[in-house]
Amino acid sequence: SQTIHQWPATLVQPVGSPLSLECTVEGTSNPNLYWYRQAAGRGLQLLFYSVGIGQISSEVPQNLSASRPQDRQFILSSKKLLLSDSGFYLCAWSDGRGISNEKLFFGSGTQLSVL
Amino acid sequence: GNSVTQMEGPVTLSEEAFLTINCTYTATGYPSLFWYVQYPGEGLQLLLKATKADDKGSNKGFEATYRKETTSFHLEKGSVQVSDSAVYFCALSDQASGGSYIPTFGRGTSLIVHP
Repeated sequence: SQTIHQWPATLVQPVGSPLSLECTVEGTSNPNLYWYRQAAGRGLQLLFYSVGIGQISSEVPQNLSASRPQDRQFILSSKKLLLSDSGFYLCAWSDGRGISNEKLFFGSGTQLSVL
Repeated sequence: GNSVTQMEGPVTLSEEAFLTINCTYTATGYPSLFWYVQYPGEGLQLLLKATKADDKGSNKGFEATYRKETTSFHLEKGSVQVSDSAVYFCALSDQASGGSYIPTFGRGTSLIVHP
């Protein structure tokens, strides 16, 4: 069966420090991968998605970046965190079969607090 | 572009009350529609979906009908339980440039059920 792992679960970082959040998927190949951010009271915002290794699409310009070094690994990074980067970050995957009724499978999330 | 609008929360109900959470959408194509649920401290999980007009998605006593004429996908449950307390997200999946289907989420509606 497929599983998605996301870590760490919680993270407290000072302003200006770097960030690296990792997400891995098991039990499937060539998935679509997604990073979402859920800010308090603001819903779910798509940050990045990837349809293959090295292919990253950015939805919102900001000081975050994403990379996909392996088929089932998706990394969210920042060189210098801002206060506004605080939030709940969710990784997700879908089958990537190119059909409209694909559902997303979400990780358990990372609560990031930038102080 | 695509968008999803949900009613503002929180929605507060007593156990066994009837639930409706409104959701309307705007899409350029013919999307699939979803409801996801997020329990406290967890990632989202799919609750139900519908892929074409007049389809009814259902799961765990929840239902939603794809209404193309009103571009709506309202979530209903006849008798809520305390364990239904969570945040509910309406979402659509429509074809983006390059052929991938990228989900768009609403802001989420918090449901609080009291005993």
